[in-house]
Amino acid sequence: QQQVKQSPQSLIVQKGGISIINCAYENTAFDYFPWYQQFPGKGPALLIAIRPDVSEKKEGRFTISFNKSAKQFSLHIMDSQPGDSATYFCAASRGSYIPTFGRGTSLIVHP
Amino acid sequence: DSGVTQTPKHLITATGQRVTLRCSPRSGDLSVYWYQQSLDQGLQFLIQYYNGEERAKGNILERFSAQQFPDLHSELNLSSLELGDSALYFCASSEAGRRGEKLFFGSGTQLSVL
Repeated sequence: QQQVKQSPQSLIVQKGGISIINCAYENTAFDYFPWYQQFPGKGPALLIAIRPDVSEKKEGRFTISFNKSAKQFSLHIMDSQPGDSATYFCAASRGSYIPTFGRGTSLIVHP
Repeated sequence: DSGVTQTPKHLITATGQRVTLRCSPRSGDLSVYWYQQSLDQGLQFLIQYYNGEERAKGNILERFSAQQFPDLHSELNLSSLELGDSALYFCASSEAGRRGEKLFFGSGTQLSVL
């Protein structure tokens, strides 16, 4: 049973556009929701994270929106750049502090 | 650079063989995690160690085993390898394995089983 469902699997956006990646979770005990960014040949790296006590967190061009009642959270990349082309993973963790990852979204930003 | 070192970067072997993947965590990190990444399953948590002791177990097969040594480096042993074990194996480390702690990933070991 997949506890964190991520969509879309792949995304193509023009430079300057908004990239939106969505995740849904089932376990209401999850209390930490990080997003990881992975470039080819590299391991994932933490990009931004949110806790359920806030509905939105913004860091530069990256924003997480969190909807606790719907058990959904999303990553918005504003003014997307070719350098943002990477695979993005959402994750969720609870008291056991082992994050469960979504299956990833391959983002391509065309110049 | 995350500070987590994984060796080897690539490994090609045959079915039925045994391999060992090595991971050196960031300096000062006590907790090590192993993940398997495949196209169809995404990032799957295998096992976590904290200061030499197993702390959590995920979807790790019985043919796989791991350990963390006194110097905190970790090894993942994969035996009786099957074609389906071909994947990218990541090691990650964190300071103390606490809830919400940032994970630092290595660049992975690409395992190809032929």
